Amino acid sequence: DTAVSQTPKYLVTQMGNDKSIKCEQNLGHDTMYWYKQDSKKFLKIMFSYNNKELIINETVPNRFSPKSPDKAHLNLHINSLELGDSAVYFCASSRSTDTQYFGPGTRLTVL
Amino acid sequence: AQSVTQLGSHVSVSEGALVLLRCNYSSSVPPYLFWYVQYPNQGLQLLLKYTTGATLVKGINGFEAEFKKSETSFHLTKPSAHMSDAAEYFCAVSERGYSTLTFGKGTMLLVSP
Repeated sequence: DTAVSQTPKYLVTQMGNDKSIKCEQNLGHDTMYWYKQDSKKFLKIMFSYNNKELIINETVPNRFSPKSPDKAHLNLHINSLELGDSAVYFCASSRSTDTQYFGPGTRLTVL
Repeated sequence: AQSVTQLGSHVSVSEGALVLLRCNYSSSVPPYLFWYVQYPNQGLQLLLKYTTGATLVKGINGFEAEFKKSETSFHLTKPSAHMSDAAEYFCAVSERGYSTLTFGKGTMLLVSP
């Protein structure tokens, strides 16, 4: 059983396009996250949702908009993609402040 | 604010040798500390964590780490490296009661035969 899943695994697109990445967890967790891993492997939190409400929003361009339709899903929509958005995006989930479990990642390449 | 410093972006060991990956943290409140491993093209997997209690914590795959408050360290060790241990290792810290993880820049462990 996949605990935290993300789709797609790879995403190649042109500058200026709009794209979405989906995340689903079947662990019954109440908190979900999006992280960005840059080309140097540095991981940084972008957003955190608890029970469908945004609780953390780091300094991220407003072209990035997370949406949580329910506690099991947290999608990431990106408008007007730029070259610098190329990265691996990880979704994670946890039960409150307990251990975070990560998805397999989505590698986004902007051409 | 909290931060994590991992000394050495790459560590090379021979198979069977001791593995030591260093992690120092900065936190204004008692921390929760984590080590995650990332295999190529995969997500992060929790190796072990320290929250409270015993300062020596054991994790999966024979890894362990010791929380040393006086040294603000949480170094990861394994007595005998295996080829399958080759991966990127991340140390992370969070403040108690908060879920935000702050990661170090990672250490790539290379294991040679």
